[in-house]
Amino acid sequence: DVKVTQSSRYLVKRTGEKVFLECVQDMDHENMFWYRQDPGLGLRLIYFSYDVKMKEKGDIPEGYSVSREKKERFSLILESASTNQTSMYLCATLGGGRGSSYEQYFGPGTRLTVT
Amino acid sequence: DQQVKQNSPSLSVQEGRISILNCDYTNSMFDYFLWYKKYPAEGPTFLISISSIKDKNEDGRFTVFLNKSAKHLSLHIVPSQPGDSAVYFCAAHFTSGTYKYIFGTGTRLKVLA
Repeated sequence: DVKVTQSSRYLVKRTGEKVFLECVQDMDHENMFWYRQDPGLGLRLIYFSYDVKMKEKGDIPEGYSVSREKKERFSLILESASTNQTSMYLCATLGGGRGSSYEQYFGPGTRLTVT
Repeated sequence: DQQVKQNSPSLSVQEGRISILNCDYTNSMFDYFLWYKKYPAEGPTFLISISSIKDKNEDGRFTVFLNKSAKHLSLHIVPSQPGDSAVYFCAAHFTSGTYKYIFGTGTRLKVLA
C-alpha cells in the first residue's frame, strides 16, 4: 500500500511566521500535490510537482511556495502566514493503485490555524 | 467558475437503503472521474472511478454511473451502512497532458442506524 505521511496533524502559528509543511511518500511516485480543503470549497490545488526540482502552480499558489529536493519529499512553505491561510492542507501522490493509474493517494492532512 | 459541482451539501439515509450522491460537470473534455471518501481528520481515500468510455462501474456495494450527454455522474451505495457516513468528493480529470484534478465541494452522507 502507498503510504503518504505529513509531518504534523495539527499546527498553530502566528501571523507573519514562516511555516513548513512536509510530505513524504514511500512509493517512488513522480507526481506529488498540495491541496487545501475549506468548507464549501472542496479541494483546491496549490502546487504540484512532476519530478525532483520541477513544480507547477495550481489554482491558488499566492502566498505559497514549494520545494522538492528529493523524490519522496514535497514541502509546502507559507512565506508569511496569514489568517486566511487557516485551513486543512492535504498532500497527495499519484500512482497506480487498485486498477487505476489516475488514483491519487492522500496523506492524513495538516490542520493549520494561523492566529 | 466551479467546473465540478455537488449540489447537495448533505444527505441522510437509513441503514440498509440506497444512498445516491450526485455530481455535475461542465467541461466535456474531462475523460476520467473519481469518487473519494473522507472521514473527519483523515485524508480522502479513493473509492471508485470511471472512464468516459464507460457508463457504469461497480465495486461491491458501490456503483458509479456516468451520463456524458447530461455531464452527470452519480455514486450509488447499496446497502448503506453506518460506516459509510463521511464526506464524499467527486473529481474530474483530463487524462492527457495535465495533472490537474478538479474536485467538487463534497456531500456529507449520514447513514442512520
